[in-house]
Amino acid sequence: DGGITQSPKYLFRKEGQNVTLSCEQNLNHDAMYWYRQDPGQGLRLIYYSQIVNDFQKGDIAEGYSVSREKKESFPLTVTSAQKNPTAFYLCASSTVAGANVLTFGAGSRLTVL
Amino acid sequence: AQSVAQPEDQVNVAEGNPLTVKCTYSVSGNPYLFWYVQYPNRGLQFLLKYITGDNLVKGSYGFEAEFNKSQTSFHLKKPSALVSDSALYFCAVRRANQAGTALIFGKGTTLSVSS
Repeated sequence: DGGITQSPKYLFRKEGQNVTLSCEQNLNHDAMYWYRQDPGQGLRLIYYSQIVNDFQKGDIAEGYSVSREKKESFPLTVTSAQKNPTAFYLCASSTVAGANVLTFGAGSRLTVL
Repeated sequence: AQSVAQPEDQVNVAEGNPLTVKCTYSVSGNPYLFWYVQYPNRGLQFLLKYITGDNLVKGSYGFEAEFNKSQTSFHLKKPSALVSDSALYFCAVRRANQAGTALIFGKGTTLSVSS
């Protein structure tokens, strides 16, 4: 079945450590996105990419980094510079034509201890 | 700047009654509008979208939404609520002429349907 796979589902990190969240899609979508979800704040855009080897910052990119070396993959690194990284992270993908309905992964919950 | 407002943090409705979850938006030019639903600790699932044409859009699970350009609203509705409809609902928008760009989401509305 086509879809988006995020891993790990749960992740615990000590302060000062970098951590990378994986996002893989087999939908042949050109665009991929990372959102952060916090209670009562909805979804906020971290980064997005419309094509391989190119990506744009979203509203809350500070303390995060991404790469897009393959069409299928868009990993997100949460660096030690991110001051409040505990959150639920959602990856999504879409076509770049038309209405581009986003398809979401199941999410990764990061907790900083 | 684009934005979405969902004025109610929570909507409570009895099973069998009609439900409405409100959404207003701000975008320059024509909007593309979306509703998504999220169950606990899961990703978002697409419900329906408005692109152009008929202002009443029908989607999954019996949901529909009405686009009102003059009021810049896109309220989600269902004639008869089910307990299983209880979830977190998000409205989202983007500009029609910006294909491939990210959606802007509202803060979400928790729908609680009681039996």
